[in-house]
Amino acid sequence: QKEVEQNSGPLSVPEGAIASLNCTYSDRVSQSFFWYRQYSGKSPELIMSIYSNGDKEDGRFTAQLNKASQYVSLLIRDSQPSDSATYLCAGYAGNNRKLIWGLGTSLAVNP
Amino acid sequence: DGGITQSPKYLFRKEGQNVTLSCEQNLNHDAMYWYRQDPGQGLRLIYYSQIVNDFQKGDIAEGYSVSREKKESFPLTVTSAQKNPTAFYLCASKMVGIDSPLHFGNGTRLTVT
Repeated sequence: QKEVEQNSGPLSVPEGAIASLNCTYSDRVSQSFFWYRQYSGKSPELIMSIYSNGDKEDGRFTAQLNKASQYVSLLIRDSQPSDSATYLCAGYAGNNRKLIWGLGTSLAVNP
Repeated sequence: DGGITQSPKYLFRKEGQNVTLSCEQNLNHDAMYWYRQDPGQGLRLIYYSQIVNDFQKGDIAEGYSVSREKKESFPLTVTSAQKNPTAFYLCASKMVGIDSPLHFGNGTRLTVT
């Protein structure tokens, strides 16, 4: 099992729908997680940080962390075509606090 | 505004030449990182530095070198020993000591022919 795993997609949703992106992690990865958005040809941009079990909301974005099931998800409400991008999940692991990255999920929001 | 500046945005070199990518930050972050991104392979860590005059190899350091003479600056040299240097290079920084997120520069796309 990869330490941080994401479905590569593409995930396709209609405009206005809820997009749900998921990330699972191994025992070695801790409970500090981040979601980044990366547009094609651009650098990753931080969307959400989540450090404790439960939900964290910021505008149209909600991050959910479930420690028991070892997954973290990102919900995007009222999806817009401008949300079309690759979403990267990352979490810290080990005593040296190395950031472990998933390979990303490609999201396409169709008008 | 605080941020991370990478230059140049695009860089073209001939095989066998060394090339240096610039990364400057004014976020007052202690830790700085260099990643490489290739299609389908995600972000791979090249080098990182948590304090001035100290740096550590990441997962794919062979063929690369760095220096950290100032807190604000962390240049990356891609040497002729790097077998596949064509890639998108990302510099990032963060505060040390807590599980804080990385902040990225805009990246440098290096093409070696």
